[in-house]
Amino acid sequence: AQSVTQLDSQVPVFEEAPVELRCNYSSSVSVYLFWYVQYPNQGLQLLLKYLSGSTLVKGINGFEAEFNKSQTSFHLRKPSVHISDTAEYFCAVSASYSGAGSYQLTFGKGTKLSVIP
Amino acid sequence: GAVVSQHPSWVICKSGTSVKIECRSLDFQATTMFWYRQFPKQSLMLMATSNEGSKATYEQGVEKDKFLINHASLTLSTLTVTSAHPEDSSFYICSAKAQSRYGYTFGSGTRLTVV
Repeated sequence: AQSVTQLDSQVPVFEEAPVELRCNYSSSVSVYLFWYVQYPNQGLQLLLKYLSGSTLVKGINGFEAEFNKSQTSFHLRKPSVHISDTAEYFCAVSASYSGAGSYQLTFGKGTKLSVIP
Repeated sequence: GAVVSQHPSWVICKSGTSVKIECRSLDFQATTMFWYRQFPKQSLMLMATSNEGSKATYEQGVEKDKFLINHASLTLSTLTVTSAHPEDSSFYICSAKAQSRYGYTFGSGTRLTVV
């Protein structure tokens, strides 16, 4: 089984400032990692994912994340945030093997990013 | 590509009635669909996983007789909340996965309010 910890429930940041949303995971098997964004009363939109290869992953809207296997982390970063980035961000993990339950996503509790003008 | 349509986007129903939520993959075949429930200011909790043509697998604590899931085709899954009560009020989200590629596509969610 996997688990995900998002260390910050809320992150306020001024517009055009950089931001990092932290995510740590726990798993006994190798994993795939995801970051999703959710706007109020909407579903989830994929920002980026790590499946294999380069540990630095670039996603949409200027976000990127770095997979650190030794620290079991997958922190999300953006060098300069905009008001429109205000939303809830979820880190998620799934097992990378094929088998029963392998496609299930386990989500963190989410981090609410508030961009202050 | 990879669009999932979920409707209704919101529904209000009386206590004791049943509500059906549909989740359709518009441009791909969804061999696996997931249903999540999200309480205010909380994360998504997986309710069940369904594979086309077979019975859904429910997570522990989810009443299968209350939350009926049907995945009769490769493009449609439905969640029926039977005999709804106010405590069933929540935000329900579906997610679909194609067999041919790795990735999940989420529906836009359904806000259910039981009065």
